[in-house]
Amino acid sequence: DTGVSQDPRHKITKRGQNVTFRCDPISEHNRLYWYRQTLGQGPEFLTYFQNEAQLEKSRLLSDRFSAERPKGSFSTLEIQRTEQGDSAMYLCASSLAPANSPLHFGNGTRLTVT
Amino acid sequence: AQSVTQLGSHVSVSEGALVLLRCNYSSSVPPYLFWYVQYPNQGLQLLLKYTTGATLVKGINGFEAEFKKSETSFHLTKPSAHMSDAAEYFCAVSGIGGNKLVFGAGTILRVKS
Repeated sequence: DTGVSQDPRHKITKRGQNVTFRCDPISEHNRLYWYRQTLGQGPEFLTYFQNEAQLEKSRLLSDRFSAERPKGSFSTLEIQRTEQGDSAMYLCASSLAPANSPLHFGNGTRLTVT
Repeated sequence: AQSVTQLGSHVSVSEGALVLLRCNYSSSVPPYLFWYVQYPNQGLQLLLKYTTGATLVKGINGFEAEFKKSETSFHLTKPSAHMSDAAEYFCAVSGIGGNKLVFGAGTILRVKS
């Protein structure tokens, strides 16, 4: 168990630029989640995949956000035309399928939009 | 729909004192309940979980929590605080057939020497 890996750890970008984050889940986990965390708040659900299928997306996930998990392994989260309000920690987590399985989180990607 | 309320955004205790972090949940289905801890610039680490069975759940680092259905609560306790317990703690809920965890806003625990 090498844990959930996220890359990069930090990203600073200018408003209007596109950014992409990568998440490598624990290898035997078939569920993968993206959460966003802002200062003073708990993680907010963005989207999740079971294998390669994206099964749910939050209303928080505007049209500028897109997530993929092409082969059911790693996932990418892309934000187009970034805005200052996108500045946050983006957390990836993975788990086995049952709802009572705990999520295992990566260390996150901290995005700063200037 | 599910939601979590954590009472107290900041809790301060002396080293060796009892730690009590409060969590109340709302769920339309039988809940699964979790406590996570987050250290600065790190992801969340599972402390303990309640799914079914015994309502008093023991976790790592000496923490435990009790599921009280009548009070819709899942408070986290530790008999004796240690300096290394200083962190932010999150309560979360999902449910049977649920697909995601819903988190509370978190409680920052400060431990004074």
